[in-house]
Amino acid sequence: GNSVTQMEGPVTLSEEAFLTINCTYTATGYPSLFWYVQYPGEGLQLLLKATKADDKGSNKGFEATYRKETTSFHLEKGSVQVSDSAVYFCALKGSTLGRLYFGRGTQLTVWP
Amino acid sequence: EPEVTQTPSHQVTQMGQEVILRCVPISNHLYFYWYRQILGQKVEFLVSFYNNEISEKSEIFDDQFSVERPDGSNFTLKIRSTKLEDSAMYFCASTYPAESSYNSPLHFGNGTRLTVT
Repeated sequence: GNSVTQMEGPVTLSEEAFLTINCTYTATGYPSLFWYVQYPGEGLQLLLKATKADDKGSNKGFEATYRKETTSFHLEKGSVQVSDSAVYFCALKGSTLGRLYFGRGTQLTVWP
Repeated sequence: EPEVTQTPSHQVTQMGQEVILRCVPISNHLYFYWYRQILGQKVEFLVSFYNNEISEKSEIFDDQFSVERPDGSNFTLKIRSTKLEDSAMYFCASTYPAESSYNSPLHFGNGTRLTVT
């Protein structure tokens, strides 16, 4: 079946530090992979996506590469800002039109 | 940019009461979803809906839950007799079946926080 395992939080960093949030997945077929972000008091917003092996999704300085050999989709950012403080969710969508499978979410707090 | 809107943003109800959570998906989208997130926990799938019928539902979506698209714009989730454990944030989402449909991300609303007392 489909599932997503995400790095446990919370993650606390100083501004300008390097960020990695690990995400691995189990899937049948060829899933698409997503990172969603939830800012305090808001809904889930799509951050980036990748639809096939070796694709790199990127947005707002965040990047993630779809690694089929390691079944991973780790989120990275070279220099975090206070405004990046949020909960980050890794998710996959299977090869049929259907639901997203979410990881547990990782709370990121960035201090000035 | 078009967005999914949900009302109300916060609903308080007493145990045993019926609640209806409302969503207006993005206008040209055809697939609709409800998810919930109990405080501090995982985002859980409830149900997906296409062509006026349920296409998939989870084990959480029991007989107490129902969904409806009563007109061309609204998509509702009804809980018939709320329980304390139904307290959660409920998210509506929609997507459009593009050519490579499994690539389509889901677009989420800001959620309705349901508190059952």
